[in-house]
Amino acid sequence: NAGVTQTPKFQVLKTGQSMTLQCAQDMNHNSMYWYRQDPGMGLRLIYYSASEGTTDKGEVPNGYNVSRLNKREFSLRLESAAPSQTSVYFCASSESRSTQYFGPGTRLTVT
Amino acid sequence: RKEVEQDPGPFNVPEGATVAFNCTYSNSASQSFFWYRQDCRKEPKLLMSVYSSGNEDGRFTAQLNRASQYISLLIRDSKLSDSATYLCVVNFMTGGGADGLTFGKGTHLIIQP
Repeated sequence: NAGVTQTPKFQVLKTGQSMTLQCAQDMNHNSMYWYRQDPGMGLRLIYYSASEGTTDKGEVPNGYNVSRLNKREFSLRLESAAPSQTSVYFCASSESRSTQYFGPGTRLTVT
Repeated sequence: RKEVEQDPGPFNVPEGATVAFNCTYSNSASQSFFWYRQDCRKEPKLLMSVYSSGNEDGRFTAQLNRASQYISLLIRDSKLSDSATYLCVVNFMTGGGADGLTFGKGTHLIIQP
């Protein structure tokens, strides 16, 4: 089992560009999450999906959109990237309210 | 308000020593607690869950004090490989909003040879 996979691992964008971060899990989990991690800020929840077909905002949703494409995949889209979105993005999955398993992260720089 | 507070450190500890750090949480209705470990430039990984009666996993002991709203992690006979950031995680079972897991900002531990 690969667990949780994320692509790309690294990305550099110019301000105003758009991109989609991909996440997939092979553990048959219902819940999936997107976090960002910034120095000194810890992990902050952007969006989550409790089950296929549902998504909800987390702590810092502004500037992002998500799609729960199917049970395996949960993507995060930046429509118009801003320097404030420079961060490390982690996707995670879990069997609701239990241990979360994280992907390896995407390091995004917006110039 | 859902808050999880940790001393960011760094804790510099000689190899073989015992080290302990605490984490406080804001909501007495919290139901489940975890310690995650995060290595530099890697993803967080579950270290251990924390049970009401306290629990041990090898050199690691986790304890919960509901009355004072804190959890602790004790590492005995520390190894160089224990150097990492330790994240305190609380499941605030308050309903509504996100799935309930709130992460502390982490405590940075450095084991020195």
